[in-house]
Amino acid sequence: GNSVTQMEGPVTLSEEAFLTINCTYTATGYPSLFWYVQYPGEGLQLLLKATKADDKGSNKGFEATYRKETTSFHLEKGSVQVSDSAVYFCALRKGSGGSNYKLTFGKGTLLTVNP
Amino acid sequence: SAVISQKPSRDICQRGTSLTIQCQVDSQVTMMFWYRQQPGQSLTLIATANQGSEATYESGFVIDKFPISRPNLTFSTLTVSNMSPEDSSIYLCSVRTGDLAYEQYFGPGTRLTVT
Repeated sequence: GNSVTQMEGPVTLSEEAFLTINCTYTATGYPSLFWYVQYPGEGLQLLLKATKADDKGSNKGFEATYRKETTSFHLEKGSVQVSDSAVYFCALRKGSGGSNYKLTFGKGTLLTVNP
Repeated sequence: SAVISQKPSRDICQRGTSLTIQCQVDSQVTMMFWYRQQPGQSLTLIATANQGSEATYESGFVIDKFPISRPNLTFSTLTVSNMSPEDSSIYLCSVRTGDLAYEQYFGPGTRLTVT
């Protein structure tokens, strides 16, 4: 079946540090890949997505590239801010519509950014 | 986009009792989902609730334990029945706004503790 593995947390960084959160997946075919973010007390929000190999998703300074050869979708940001402190979830979904709507999530990585 | 609210935001319940969680969306949506996030675990899909039809449960989840109602296109409830401490989790409502839409929206969650 499908699965997502992301790096264990928590991750603690100083402001302006470089961030990488690793994510690898197992799936047949060509899944779509997502990063969701959950700020304290809020629901999950879609941060970025990529729907095919070599696509790069980007938003709010975060980037992730869909690497089919390594089955990876690592999240990066060049300079984190205190406001980036949140839990980050990597997820995949098979197909592009119809019944292929189920998201498979990783366990989440807690990021804390200190001033 | 869709804005989702859930009630209650948190609750502490006694073993053997039941709790009904409400999910309200600010727009009409076809597909609604209920997820569980156990401590330290990833999100797990409990069931899909489409208006006008019976909910579809994932493996390991049954209707007697997690009955779901979907009376209209903006509202759903999930009941956690005959609770045990193992049911202590965050329960999240989620919606997708179109069959081909990639974006899936999540509510803030209901944090349930069973004593």
